[in-house]
Amino acid sequence: DAGVIQSPRHEVTEMGQEVTLRCKPISGHNSLFWYRQTMMRGLELLIYFNNNVPIDDSGMPEDRFSAKMPNASFSTLKIQPSEPRDSAVYFCASSQDRGRTGELFFGEGSRLTVL
Amino acid sequence: TQLLEQSPQFLSIQEGENLTVYCNSSSVFSSLQWYRQEPGEGPVLLVTVVTGGEVKKLKRLTFQFGDARKDSSLHITAAQPGDTGLYLCAGASYNFNKFYFGSGTKLNVKP
Repeated sequence: DAGVIQSPRHEVTEMGQEVTLRCKPISGHNSLFWYRQTMMRGLELLIYFNNNVPIDDSGMPEDRFSAKMPNASFSTLKIQPSEPRDSAVYFCASSQDRGRTGELFFGEGSRLTVL
Repeated sequence: TQLLEQSPQFLSIQEGENLTVYCNSSSVFSSLQWYRQEPGEGPVLLVTVVTGGEVKKLKRLTFQFGDARKDSSLHITAAQPGDTGLYLCAGASYNFNKFYFGSGTKLNVKP
C-alpha cells in the first residue's frame, strides 16, 4: 500500500508568491494533520481534519495560511503571500480514529524555501 | 514553549555504548509515542505506550511510560550506527486527535 503522498518534495519561491502544498492520505484513514518542522521550533501542528472537517486550526500561524480537505483522499495547504520566515519542511500525516494507539503515518515532507 | 521537553538535545556516542533519552512534561497524556526520523524523511513510529508504568522492548530499545503518564524514557543498549537519527516523543490528547511533539534528540552513533 502507498503511504502518505506529498507534493512537491521541494519548492523554491520568491517572497510574495502563492505556495500550494498537496497531500494524499492513506486510504481508509479519517484524520489528517499538517505539521511544520524547523530547527528552531521543531515539529509544530498547524491544523488537523477529522472526516474532512477542520477540527483545530489554532496552530495556523496567521491568515496567510489556509488548508482545505475537499474529500477523503486529498488536502492542500496554501500560503499566500509567502514570506521568508515560512521556509520549513511541511509534513502531512494521517491516522485512523479507531483504537487507542493513534499512530501517525507521515509523508516525506515538502521542503519550502522562500527567498 | 514546548509542551514536551526532551533531553539531551544532541548526543554523539561510540558504537556499543548505552544511552537514555528523556521526554518530560507537566501534562498528562492518554498515550505517548516515540518516533525516529532520518534526514529527508518523515518520522516513523517506533512504539506507543498507553498505561502508566508500562515498559516495552523493541530489540535493543526499551521504552518506559512514567507512572503519572507525564514522562517517558527511551534506552538504547549497545548502540549501532544504524540507530543514528532524530528521536521524537509525542503525547496524545485524550481523544487521540492531537499529538504534541517534543523538541527532539539528535543521536549520532559513530562506528
